[in-house]
Amino acid sequence: GAVVSQHPSRVICKSGTSVKIECRSLDFQATTMFWYRQFPKQSLMLMATSNEGSKATYEQGVEKDKFLINHASLTLSTLTVTSAHPEDSSFYICSARGAGLGGGAGETQYFGPGTRLLVL
Amino acid sequence: QKEVEQDPGPLSVPEGAIVSLNCTYSNSAFQYFMWYRQYSRKGPELLMYTYSSGNKEDGRFTAQVDKSSKYISLFIRDSQPSDSATYLCAMKGGSSASKIIFGSGTRLSIRP
Repeated sequence: GAVVSQHPSRVICKSGTSVKIECRSLDFQATTMFWYRQFPKQSLMLMATSNEGSKATYEQGVEKDKFLINHASLTLSTLTVTSAHPEDSSFYICSARGAGLGGGAGETQYFGPGTRLLVL
Repeated sequence: QKEVEQDPGPLSVPEGAIVSLNCTYSNSAFQYFMWYRQYSRKGPELLMYTYSSGNKEDGRFTAQVDKSSKYISLFIRDSQPSDSATYLCAMKGGSSASKIIFGSGTRLSIRP
């Protein structure tokens, strides 16, 4: 149980284009989804938190107009990197926290496999 | 001072050894404590979670939380080469609105 998928697993795009990454909770309802960015050999950096049906809350220093987050349903959140530039190249990971997981596990987060973005 | 401190390693041990991974923290409000394993170029995988103090065992893995010392540990018995990964400790407060705070991760290598 508690499986989170991400698509695509890797994407290469030209500078200036937009890229959409999908995050799905496959066997539970994700009341909250999180988007992280991870640079090589570094820990996870939280970018934003989104609750289903409401606007995302962005961390300090993260441009909300550049990283558009939509959490339209309890099983799907999307991150769109708009006008991507080479410095946006990174490993983007979503995670989800939700109901029905039992035993206090609703307080934990389950991560997707990540999306590697390379902007040329 | 970071809220969560974790030695980045790398830590290299021979196969079969007992591995001890640790984190310290400063925020006494943390109630939930997690350990994640992350293989290279993959997302973190939840290994263990513990609420408040105490021990929890799952197969070869044991998680310990000592809230009085603000210290958590993960022990791996009979370590295998497949355990080679980065291990991230993580913790959060009791309210559902609180965020998970991650350690920087310890890179572990098990030598065959």
